[in-house]
Amino acid sequence: SQQGEEDPQALSIQEGENATMNCSYKTSINNLQWYRQNSGRGLVHLILIRSNEREKHSGRLRVTLDTSKKSSSLLITASRAADTASYFCATGRYGGSQGNLIFGKGTKLSVKP
Amino acid sequence: EPEVTQTPSHQVTQMGQEVILRCVPISNHLYFYWYRQILGQKVEFLVSFYNNEISEKSEIFDDQFSVERPDGSNFTLKIRSTKLEDSAMYFCASRPPGGYSGNTIYFGEGSWLTVV
Repeated sequence: SQQGEEDPQALSIQEGENATMNCSYKTSINNLQWYRQNSGRGLVHLILIRSNEREKHSGRLRVTLDTSKKSSSLLITASRAADTASYFCATGRYGGSQGNLIFGKGTKLSVKP
Repeated sequence: EPEVTQTPSHQVTQMGQEVILRCVPISNHLYFYWYRQILGQKVEFLVSFYNNEISEKSEIFDDQFSVERPDGSNFTLKIRSTKLEDSAMYFCASRPPGGYSGNTIYFGEGSWLTVV
């Protein structure tokens, strides 16, 4: 897989359920960020986790990072219809420019009311 | 909350024409970026800009592309002679000052470019 690959590619759940998305990457990283994109809109930053962190929370979001497995997960608890969007992980390459993020193809989340 | 703003939101242009996409980054940010997303594909890094010069660019950012910060607020991406394959959503982004690994990158809403 390529740097920053998410799975599943698509996820459909009912409102109130939890949604878990995974991301794998190949190279060493400085940090990993998760973004949300509503259809045809901009990228909204959700959360950043540094390479020396293992877990981070923000509201209904929980992100984990396992640098030994080069993987991260994004958990959205108690999902809402408004969470329907594509979710991307983006990695900052270790030693590289902070702004040169490598994005995955994203997970398309559909939350049904 | 401060945000990155981009204009135009959508532009249609003839192949071979020059296009300028404009961005106003968040005011206290010092690092600026352009990314693009071809429909249905990944978001791809184009270029980073700091201290009035390009600090890094990707293979996509060839001689047809240029960036400029003409004044204290705007940051522009110019495509000199557009090709059909330049059709994409172009995102401007900016990052606050500081060099540690925890800096968040903020994206604008994007400029959708259609080359016909």
